[in-house]
Amino acid sequence: NAGVTQTPKFRVLKTGQSMTLLCAQDMNHEYMYWYRQDPGMGLRLIHYSVGEGTTAKGEVPDGYNVSRLKKQNFLLGLESAAPSQTSVYFCASSSNQGTGGGQPQHFGDGTRLSIL
Amino acid sequence: AQSVTQLDSQVPVFEEAPVELRCNYSSSVSVYLFWYVQYPNQGLQLLLKYLSGSTLVKGINGFEAEFNKSQTSFHLRKPSVHISDTAEYFCAVSETGGFKTIFGAGTRLFVKA
Repeated sequence: NAGVTQTPKFRVLKTGQSMTLLCAQDMNHEYMYWYRQDPGMGLRLIHYSVGEGTTAKGEVPDGYNVSRLKKQNFLLGLESAAPSQTSVYFCASSSNQGTGGGQPQHFGDGTRLSIL
Repeated sequence: AQSVTQLDSQVPVFEEAPVELRCNYSSSVSVYLFWYVQYPNQGLQLLLKYLSGSTLVKGINGFEAEFNKSQTSFHLRKPSVHISDTAEYFCAVSETGGFKTIFGAGTRLFVKA
């Protein structure tokens, strides 16, 4: 089972360049998330989606955009990369099954992004 | 709003020794609690979760955690660690009925031979 797949795994960009990070899940999950992980700061939520065609801002959305045109895919875009966006980016998904929440998140292996 | 505090950023321990990773949370509503593990160059994997019922929760790889409502804590324990337990561990909380999760800053467990 693939679970959550992120592409690319590594990328180096120059300041001002743009790129799109791809996330695909094969578990038919409704909820999808993009996080960034920085040393000593845990995971911070950038954007999330509660279903196909919907997106919402998380804790640190500035400088990023997202789209969820298909249920299984969640794309994260950087329009004009800045050195402060150097980080490890994780995509995750979770089910909406059951009442009251409590479903764990399933993570991809991350994209390591460096902005020079 | 919820918050999570992991009290130790790094925990070095010798192989076969017991270990406790401490986690406190803050919330004005009922919560679900999770521990995740992250091995190098990988994403997070669920170790265990507390939703309701027994306050002692058992997870994978011999780990367990105890929910203490009065102290708002959810400490992770293992009676005897292995070299392969070297990883970063994240405590997390979500509001009951919700789906967003707040993660702590992580505790790096380093098991020495």
